[in-house]
Amino acid sequence: AQSVTQPDIHITVSEGASLELRCNYSYGATPYLFWYVQSPGQGLQLLLKYFSGDTLVQGIKGFEAEFKRSQSSFNLRKPSVHWSDAAEYFCAVAHLNTGGFKTIFGAGTRLFVKA
Amino acid sequence: NAGVMQNPRHLVRRRGQEARLRCSPMKGHSHVYWYRQLPEEGLKFMVYLQKENIIDESGMPKERFSAEFPKEGPSILRIQQVVRGDSAAYFCASSLAGGLGETQYFGPGTRLLVL
Repeated sequence: AQSVTQPDIHITVSEGASLELRCNYSYGATPYLFWYVQSPGQGLQLLLKYFSGDTLVQGIKGFEAEFKRSQSSFNLRKPSVHWSDAAEYFCAVAHLNTGGFKTIFGAGTRLFVKA
Repeated sequence: NAGVMQNPRHLVRRRGQEARLRCSPMKGHSHVYWYRQLPEEGLKFMVYLQKENIIDESGMPKERFSAEFPKEGPSILRIQQVVRGDSAAYFCASSLAGGLGETQYFGPGTRLLVL
Protein backbone atom coordinates (compact mmCIF):
# COMPACT_ATOMS: atom_id res chain seq x y z
CA ALA A 1 0.00 0.00 0.00
CA GLN A 2 1.09 3.54 -0.67
CA SER A 3 2.44 5.41 2.31
CA VAL A 4 4.41 8.48 3.29
CA THR A 5 6.73 8.55 6.29
CA GLN A 6 8.13 11.62 7.94
CA PRO A 7 10.50 10.20 10.56
CA ASP A 8 10.90 13.39 12.56
CA ILE A 9 7.87 14.54 14.55
CA HIS A 10 9.57 17.83 15.39
CA ILE A 11 12.85 19.56 14.65
CA THR A 12 14.45 22.60 16.24
CA VAL A 13 17.01 24.68 14.35
CA SER A 14 18.66 28.01 15.01
CA GLU A 15 17.76 30.95 12.85
CA GLY A 16 20.22 31.14 9.97
CA ALA A 17 21.09 27.46 10.15
CA SER A 18 20.39 25.01 7.35
CA LEU A 19 17.38 22.72 7.41
CA GLU A 20 16.58 19.29 6.05
CA LEU A 21 13.21 17.60 6.59
CA ARG A 22 13.03 13.94 5.70
CA CYS A 23 10.34 12.21 3.72
CA ASN A 24 10.19 8.61 2.54
CA TYR A 25 7.46 7.18 0.39
CA SER A 26 6.26 3.78 -0.64
CA TYR A 27 4.81 3.62 -4.13
CA GLY A 28 5.35 1.20 -7.00
CA ALA A 29 5.41 3.60 -9.92
CA THR A 30 6.95 7.03 -10.38
CA PRO A 31 5.31 9.13 -7.71
CA TYR A 32 3.95 12.62 -7.78
CA LEU A 33 5.46 14.23 -4.71
CA PHE A 34 4.58 17.41 -2.84
CA TRP A 35 5.66 19.43 0.14
CA TYR A 36 3.15 21.64 1.94
CA VAL A 37 3.53 24.05 4.85
CA GLN A 38 0.84 24.73 7.44
CA SER A 39 1.04 27.70 9.78
CA PRO A 40 -0.93 27.52 13.03
CA GLY A 41 -4.66 27.81 12.44
CA GLN A 42 -4.23 27.94 8.68
CA GLY A 43 -4.69 25.67 5.70
CA LEU A 44 -1.90 24.09 3.73
CA GLN A 45 0.19 25.98 1.24
CA LEU A 46 2.08 24.23 -1.53
CA LEU A 47 5.86 24.74 -1.34
CA LEU A 48 6.90 22.63 -4.31
CA LYS A 49 6.08 19.51 -6.29
CA TYR A 50 7.89 16.89 -8.37
CA PHE A 51 6.55 14.85 -11.27
CA SER A 52 9.47 14.12 -13.55
CA GLY A 53 12.62 15.61 -15.00
CA ASP A 54 15.24 17.31 -12.88
CA THR A 55 15.33 15.60 -9.51
CA LEU A 56 16.15 18.85 -7.69
CA VAL A 57 13.04 20.96 -7.45
CA GLN A 58 12.93 24.60 -6.45
CA GLY A 59 9.98 25.95 -4.54
CA ILE A 60 8.72 29.10 -2.91
CA LYS A 61 10.24 30.80 0.13
CA GLY A 62 13.73 29.52 -0.71
CA PHE A 63 12.91 25.84 -0.27
CA GLU A 64 14.11 23.02 -2.48
CA ALA A 65 13.66 19.26 -2.47
CA GLU A 66 15.53 16.40 -4.06
CA PHE A 67 13.93 13.24 -5.37
CA LYS A 68 16.09 10.15 -4.88
CA ARG A 69 14.48 7.10 -6.39
CA SER A 70 17.08 4.70 -4.99
CA GLN A 71 16.27 5.84 -1.47
CA SER A 72 12.55 6.45 -2.03
CA SER A 73 13.08 9.86 -0.52
CA PHE A 74 12.02 13.42 -1.19
CA ASN A 75 13.75 15.52 1.45
CA LEU A 76 13.04 19.21 1.84
CA ARG A 77 15.92 21.62 2.36
CA LYS A 78 16.58 25.27 3.01
CA PRO A 79 20.08 26.74 3.33
CA SER A 80 19.20 29.38 5.90
CA VAL A 81 16.11 29.23 8.08
CA HIS A 82 14.16 32.33 9.09
CA TRP A 83 12.01 32.63 12.20
CA SER A 84 8.94 32.89 9.98
CA ASP A 85 9.59 29.35 8.72
CA ALA A 86 8.36 27.93 12.03
CA ALA A 87 5.36 25.84 11.01
CA GLU A 88 4.34 22.28 10.29
CA TYR A 89 5.53 20.67 7.08
CA PHE A 90 3.76 17.86 5.27
CA CYS A 91 5.11 15.61 2.58
CA ALA A 92 2.53 14.05 0.27
CA VAL A 93 2.32 11.59 -2.60
CA ALA A 94 -0.41 11.45 -5.23
CA HIS A 95 -1.29 8.18 -6.87
CA LEU A 96 -3.93 6.80 -9.15
CA ASN A 97 -6.95 5.37 -7.44
CA THR A 98 -10.26 4.01 -8.60
CA GLY A 99 -12.12 6.93 -10.07
CA GLY A 100 -9.17 9.27 -10.15
CA PHE A 101 -6.27 9.98 -7.90
CA LYS A 102 -5.72 10.30 -4.19
CA THR A 103 -3.21 12.28 -2.20
CA ILE A 104 -1.67 10.68 0.87
CA PHE A 105 -0.06 12.91 3.48
CA GLY A 106 2.66 12.15 5.97
CA ALA A 107 2.04 12.84 9.65
CA GLY A 108 4.00 16.08 9.45
CA THR A 109 7.15 17.54 10.96
CA ARG A 110 6.81 20.54 13.21
CA LEU A 111 9.68 22.99 12.82
CA PHE A 112 10.73 25.20 15.71
CA VAL A 113 13.18 28.03 15.07
CA LYS A 114 15.23 29.43 17.93
CA ALA A 115 16.90 32.82 17.95
CA ASN B 1 -9.10 36.20 -7.00
CA ALA B 2 -10.33 34.86 -3.71
CA GLY B 3 -8.89 31.60 -2.48
CA VAL B 4 -10.78 28.62 -1.17
CA MET B 5 -13.34 29.72 1.40
CA GLN B 6 -14.59 27.59 4.24
CA ASN B 7 -17.21 28.40 6.80
CA PRO B 8 -17.68 28.36 9.58
CA ARG B 9 -14.07 28.53 10.76
CA HIS B 10 -15.07 27.11 14.12
CA LEU B 11 -18.08 24.99 14.95
CA VAL B 12 -19.18 23.64 18.30
CA ARG B 13 -21.78 20.91 18.47
CA ARG B 14 -23.17 18.67 21.18
CA ARG B 15 -23.22 14.93 20.72
CA GLY B 16 -26.11 13.88 18.49
CA GLN B 17 -26.40 17.17 16.63
CA GLU B 18 -25.66 17.72 12.97
CA ALA B 19 -22.64 19.57 11.59
CA ARG B 20 -22.66 21.19 8.16
CA LEU B 21 -19.37 22.42 6.77
CA ARG B 22 -19.22 24.57 3.66
CA CYS B 23 -16.53 24.99 1.07
CA SER B 24 -16.47 27.44 -1.82
CA PRO B 25 -13.71 26.51 -4.27
CA MET B 26 -11.51 28.97 -6.06
CA LYS B 27 -13.15 30.67 -9.00
CA GLY B 28 -13.12 28.40 -12.02
CA HIS B 29 -12.31 25.26 -10.03
CA SER B 30 -14.73 22.38 -10.40
CA HIS B 31 -12.87 19.75 -8.35
CA VAL B 32 -13.20 19.66 -4.59
CA TYR B 33 -11.54 17.45 -1.98
CA TRP B 34 -12.28 17.07 1.72
CA TYR B 35 -9.69 16.04 4.28
CA ARG B 36 -9.81 15.48 8.02
CA GLN B 37 -6.95 16.31 10.33
CA LEU B 38 -6.95 14.88 13.81
CA PRO B 39 -4.73 16.54 16.44
CA GLU B 40 -1.03 15.80 15.90
CA GLU B 41 -1.76 13.91 12.69
CA GLY B 42 -1.54 14.55 8.97
CA LEU B 43 -4.46 15.05 6.66
CA LYS B 44 -6.57 12.04 5.79
CA PHE B 45 -8.43 12.00 2.49
CA MET B 46 -12.19 11.74 2.80
CA VAL B 47 -13.89 12.45 -0.50
CA TYR B 48 -13.29 13.86 -3.98
CA LEU B 49 -16.14 15.56 -5.85
CA GLN B 50 -16.76 17.21 -9.14
CA LYS B 51 -19.79 19.33 -9.83
CA GLU B 52 -22.83 17.18 -8.99
CA ASN B 53 -20.74 14.00 -8.83
CA ILE B 54 -18.91 12.06 -6.15
CA ILE B 55 -15.77 10.71 -7.80
CA ASP B 56 -14.09 8.95 -4.88
CA GLU B 57 -15.52 8.58 -1.39
CA SER B 58 -13.24 5.80 -0.24
CA GLY B 59 -12.08 7.83 2.75
CA MET B 60 -15.53 8.64 4.06
CA PRO B 61 -16.88 6.78 7.08
CA LYS B 62 -19.73 4.57 5.95
CA GLU B 63 -22.26 6.07 8.34
CA ARG B 64 -23.27 9.59 9.35
CA PHE B 65 -21.00 11.35 6.81
CA SER B 66 -22.09 12.64 3.43
CA ALA B 67 -20.83 15.18 0.92
CA GLU B 68 -22.24 17.01 -2.03
CA PHE B 69 -21.13 19.56 -4.58
CA PRO B 70 -24.23 20.93 -6.29
CA LYS B 71 -24.32 22.68 -9.62
CA GLU B 72 -24.78 25.96 -7.84
CA GLY B 73 -23.38 26.86 -4.46
CA PRO B 74 -20.68 25.51 -2.20
CA SER B 75 -19.68 21.96 -1.46
CA ILE B 76 -21.17 20.67 1.79
CA LEU B 77 -19.74 18.09 4.16
CA ARG B 78 -22.49 16.89 6.46
CA ILE B 79 -21.97 14.94 9.65
CA GLN B 80 -25.09 13.60 11.30
CA GLN B 81 -25.38 12.66 14.97
CA VAL B 82 -21.88 13.85 15.78
CA VAL B 83 -19.76 12.05 18.36
CA ARG B 84 -16.72 13.27 20.27
CA GLY B 85 -14.43 11.40 17.90
CA ASP B 86 -15.58 13.66 15.06
CA SER B 87 -13.74 16.57 16.68
CA ALA B 88 -11.08 17.55 14.18
CA ALA B 89 -10.09 20.12 11.60
CA TYR B 90 -11.78 19.61 8.26
CA PHE B 91 -10.02 21.02 5.24
CA CYS B 92 -11.36 21.56 1.78
CA ALA B 93 -9.17 21.89 -1.28
CA SER B 94 -9.98 22.66 -4.88
CA SER B 95 -8.22 22.23 -8.20
CA LEU B 96 -8.76 23.39 -11.73
CA ALA B 97 -8.68 19.89 -13.16
CA GLY B 98 -8.52 16.39 -11.76
CA GLY B 99 -5.16 15.12 -12.96
CA LEU B 100 -2.45 13.53 -10.86
CA GLY B 101 -0.25 16.56 -10.96
CA GLU B 102 -2.89 19.19 -10.36
CA THR B 103 -2.14 21.56 -7.54
CA GLN B 104 -4.71 21.53 -4.78
CA TYR B 105 -5.42 24.85 -3.10
CA PHE B 106 -6.49 24.53 0.50
CA GLY B 107 -8.95 26.52 2.52
CA PRO B 108 -8.29 27.62 6.11
CA GLY B 109 -10.30 24.74 7.53
CA THR B 110 -13.24 24.31 9.86
CA ARG B 111 -12.41 23.25 13.37
CA LEU B 112 -15.20 21.12 14.76
CA LEU B 113 -15.49 20.56 18.47
CA VAL B 114 -18.03 18.08 19.74
CA LEU B 115 -18.94 18.46 23.39
